[in-house]
Amino acid sequence: DAMVIQNPRYQVTQFGKPVTLSCSQTLNHNVMYWYQQKSSQAPKLLFHYYDKDFNNEADTPDNFQSRRPNTSFCFLDIRSPGLGDAAMYLCATSRGGRASGSDTQYFGPGTRLTVL
Amino acid sequence: GEDVEQSLFLSVREGDSSVINCTYTDSSSTYLYWYKQEPGAGLQLLTYIFSNMDMKQDQRLTVLLNKKDKHLSLRIADTQTGDSAIYFCADAEGNFNKFYFGSGTKLNVKP
Repeated sequence: DAMVIQNPRYQVTQFGKPVTLSCSQTLNHNVMYWYQQKSSQAPKLLFHYYDKDFNNEADTPDNFQSRRPNTSFCFLDIRSPGLGDAAMYLCATSRGGRASGSDTQYFGPGTRLTVL
Repeated sequence: GEDVEQSLFLSVREGDSSVINCTYTDSSSTYLYWYKQEPGAGLQLLTYIFSNMDMKQDQRLTVLLNKKDKHLSLRIADTQTGDSAIYFCADAEGNFNKFYFGSGTKLNVKP
């Protein structure tokens, strides 16, 4: 059973045309993350939500935004995609271990974004 | 920030053991993880180890942790062609749920 679902799996957009990637989870986890992964590189954390609290990484460009309307869904919005934003975008969730220490992150299959 | 380093490539023959190494710098690490990524796919959790453990075994996988040297390894016994993938180690920061990933080790298993 899929636990972290990402749609679409492949997304093609044009330079400068806004695009939204979606992630949903059936785990009822408190924390949802968005990572960017370029070819042959480690995933790079863009931001995460702990419940409704949004936590942006310091080096995440303003071009990237996120929304979490409820526990199950989280969206990544790229306002004006550039050629350098072509990458795999990974969503992950975790139960939330603020009190007891960090806990396991579960990843979705990713959305591969192509920018023409 | 935390640095997590891995060698980039490893090539083994089918049936041999594979050992993938990882070093990290954060002495306050609580959990360390191994993930597997097949081409075009997301990251699949393989195993993790709590920092007060030296070893953890799970079927063909053995994780060794040397906390003094901040060295983590993943041993895959009887490596199969289906094990060909990129393996990432990740260090979890304190209680903030932030993971630091290594650059990944690409394992190539030759028949």
